[in-house]
Amino acid sequence: GAGVSQSPSNKVTEKGKDVELRCDPISGHTALYWYRQSLGQGLEFLIYFQGNSAPDKSGLPSDRFSAERTGGSVSTLTIQRTQQEDSAVYLCASSFERAYNEQFFGPGTRLTVL
Amino acid sequence: GIQVEQSPPDLILQEGANSTLRCNFSDSVNNLQWFHQNPWGQLINLFYIPSGTKQNGRLSATTVATERYSLLYISSSQTTDSGVYFCAVDRTDKLIFGTGTRLQVFP
Repeated sequence: GAGVSQSPSNKVTEKGKDVELRCDPISGHTALYWYRQSLGQGLEFLIYFQGNSAPDKSGLPSDRFSAERTGGSVSTLTIQRTQQEDSAVYLCASSFERAYNEQFFGPGTRLTVL
Repeated sequence: GIQVEQSPPDLILQEGANSTLRCNFSDSVNNLQWFHQNPWGQLINLFYIPSGTKQNGRLSATTVATERYSLLYISSSQTTDSGVYFCAVDRTDKLIFGTGTRLQVFP
């Protein structure tokens, strides 16, 4: 596609439920990133993929968060047993070949945990 | 870890005015990007500028890597320039964002 796409655009869930967020990177981009933006924490890094491998997971806030990437393309971020503090906008980005190259962001998924 | 500071935090302008936004960072970086976050939350790429000067229309940016700062210039501002401007730096494999400058341009 022309840009990074994410789905759903909005997700409302109840505390304790699991959610899956999807990211489709720009075609040909091998590097993929997840970030989140919340009122209290600003924009923060979660995880980086190079191909299907995740060499840097240092930003995942707890073991309730996991992510995978298949076929070097689509990525899914899963949050288990959601908590109210997980409410945020989750942003996906991709870049060509490797880290340090210009990153392009998707429109985000707004997650609200009630 | 690396620290990224942006100033000013808020800026109010009348249409047609010029402005300069600053980004300071605490360590050497491999990448620096400027983004505009529009009212719908989309991060729009403005510049990829680890060093040097670039211009795109009414916007230009300069990064002085040796002194660890970058400047974003907006000339002849328009109401559509309103939003939050973020500077982000990449030292390893992730972007570290500043807290942003919120710009409001009034007609």
